[in-house]
Amino acid sequence: DAGVTQSPTHLIKTRGQQVTLRCSPKSGHDTVSWYQQALGQGPQFIFQYYEEEERQRGNFPDRFSGHQFPNYSSELNVNALLLGDSALYLCASSFADRTYEQYFGPGTRLTVT
Amino acid sequence: DQQVKQNSPSLSVQEGRISILNCDYTNSMFDYFLWYKKYPAEGPTFLISISSIKDKNEDGRFTVFLNKSAKHLSLHIVPSQPGDSAVYFCAASLDLNFGNEKLTFGTGTRLTIIP
Repeated sequence: DAGVTQSPTHLIKTRGQQVTLRCSPKSGHDTVSWYQQALGQGPQFIFQYYEEEERQRGNFPDRFSGHQFPNYSSELNVNALLLGDSALYLCASSFADRTYEQYFGPGTRLTVT
Repeated sequence: DQQVKQNSPSLSVQEGRISILNCDYTNSMFDYFLWYKKYPAEGPTFLISISSIKDKNEDGRFTVFLNKSAKHLSLHIVPSQPGDSAVYFCAASLDLNFGNEKLTFGTGTRLTIIP
């Protein structure tokens, strides 16, 4: 049973650039949530996708956007990168009616220089 | 505004003894609580959860206690094993109505089990 997978593992970008991170949910799951984890902090909720639509959003600017595909996989896009966007980006998947029990992927480490 | 707080950044416990990790929250609307364990270079792994209608939930060596009046929960691990060494995150969810279950995490406690 494949768990949550994310790509790429690591990424280095320059300020002002754009980045796309990808996530495949655990088999059977239909809901994907994205989190940002800064160094020494807990994960912070960015947004959640269900049925290809953004269902909830945390306190992140519009530079952060996402997409969910018919196969439930998801992308996180960040435009106009800032140094402060450097973090571990975690994807979590769940069943729509049990989204409080989320299964996390290993994350993508983004470094903005 | 840190709604979920883990005030101990680190904890060291002798192998075989009890490990107690604490978590406090400020939002009385939280009604589901979870503990996640995280190893380096891996995503958080779900460990155990508790609903606000209960005050205790047990799963093998892991027990979570919830004190709603104090807005406090704790995770007990007994006996502690070297493989328990990891960062532990407490997380909370607002009501379980469909579409409103995002998780709010604490900052984590690094547990080190000393052989």
